[in-house]
Amino acid sequence: DVKVTQSSRYLVKRTGEKVFLECVQDMDHENMFWYRQDPGLGLRLIYFSYDVKMKEKGDIPEGYSVSREKKERFSLILESASTNQTSMYLCASSLRDRGSPLHFGNGTRLTVT
Amino acid sequence: DQQVKQNSPSLSVQEGRISILNCDYTNSMFDYFLWYKKYPAEGPTFLISISSIKDKNEDGRFTVFLNKSAKHLSLHIVPSQPGDSAVYFCAASDPGGGATNKLIFGTGTLLAVQP
Repeated sequence: DVKVTQSSRYLVKRTGEKVFLECVQDMDHENMFWYRQDPGLGLRLIYFSYDVKMKEKGDIPEGYSVSREKKERFSLILESASTNQTSMYLCASSLRDRGSPLHFGNGTRLTVT
Repeated sequence: DQQVKQNSPSLSVQEGRISILNCDYTNSMFDYFLWYKKYPAEGPTFLISISSIKDKNEDGRFTVFLNKSAKHLSLHIVPSQPGDSAVYFCAASDPGGGATNKLIFGTGTLLAVQP
């Protein structure tokens, strides 16, 4: 069974802080993704990675960066947190094949004050 | 510009009856569609998918129908159970993602199944 683990369930950070969200998957999946979920907006893709050290921007990459140094780990970085980045952040992984289901972690609820 | 739309924010159904969740899309090049269920404080879990070369896929109580001419898909849950109460997201595989498996999600529909 695929397990995607996000390091924190809840985080509270101050405006301007650098924030790291960590995600680890145990199924040797090639693809990893970061989404954010906001009421009325659904899930929006921030960044994804299809291989180690490879990354591509999603639909809302501004204010974020990512790092994938190992296949199983995908980190989301908020360089300087702002209040409009308060959200639920969801990490996912999948096989490379198109149509393969994404497997999600339980999410990190980030509050920026 | 929402490419995948779920126009009903919420739906209430009696236990034992059919739940029908709808989803519309704008890009005729989408080649896979997936449905996810999400409980509060948990990540979305995959339910069922359908390829664009099919018009129906069934898995137990869940059936997904695809109408390509109308750019519409629906998820039928029969019979509905209280444990089905959750937010349901439809998603489409983005052909612009090339060889990668990038999904575009709708805004979700909150299903409440009344005992």
